[in-house]
Amino acid sequence: AQSVSQHNHHVILSEAASLELGCNYSYGGTVNLFWYVQYPGQHLQLLLKYFSGDPLVKGIKGFEAEFIKSKFSFNLRKPSVQWSDTAEYFCAVSYNFNKFYFGSGTKLNVKP
Amino acid sequence: DADVTQTPRNRITKTGKRIMLECSQTKGHDRMYWYRQDPGLGLRLIYYSFDVKDINKGEISDGYSVSRQAQAKFSLSLESAIPNQTALYFCATSDFGLAGGWNEQFFGPGTRLTVL
Repeated sequence: AQSVSQHNHHVILSEAASLELGCNYSYGGTVNLFWYVQYPGQHLQLLLKYFSGDPLVKGIKGFEAEFIKSKFSFNLRKPSVQWSDTAEYFCAVSYNFNKFYFGSGTKLNVKP
Repeated sequence: DADVTQTPRNRITKTGKRIMLECSQTKGHDRMYWYRQDPGLGLRLIYYSFDVKDINKGEISDGYSVSRQAQAKFSLSLESAIPNQTALYFCATSDFGLAGGWNEQFFGPGTRLTVL
């Protein structure tokens, strides 16, 4: 079955550390890829998305993600995290334009 | 004003009761979605609607029904609520994606539902 995997459920970092959150999806043809963020007590908002073209996608707040088709991955990165990045991060994938799945989420806790 | 609103924001109900959650949007989007969020499971799609006459089941539609009353309104009903439907429910909207694909979704603030 098609699915989205986020293997890191909880990540704790100190400010200024680099971040990489993993996202893998199962094979399913044409995919569109998304990363959403949910700050404490708030609703989800889009960080970045990939539809086609340059596999390195830049989003808001200094985040970026790289689509590696051969690895079925779309990992999220940030060179230097801030305390305000404390949130839950969700990867999401659409398959062939008619199926859509979120990953289980990764909680990021940034220590000041 | 918020682009996507949900009512109620919190609801406590008893097993067997019928519950309706409502969603309204002012973004002018054709596509609307209902998700539930459970700790450790992320968001799971319950139903989605690509226009007023188009309703589709998502990943976990059993026990739920929906109604798309207008482009701007999409309601979710629990005909007979049960405790394992206790969750945070989100409505979302999007416009038409590239080549028919799924585009960025805009989420409402959520409804926290507790079924006792």
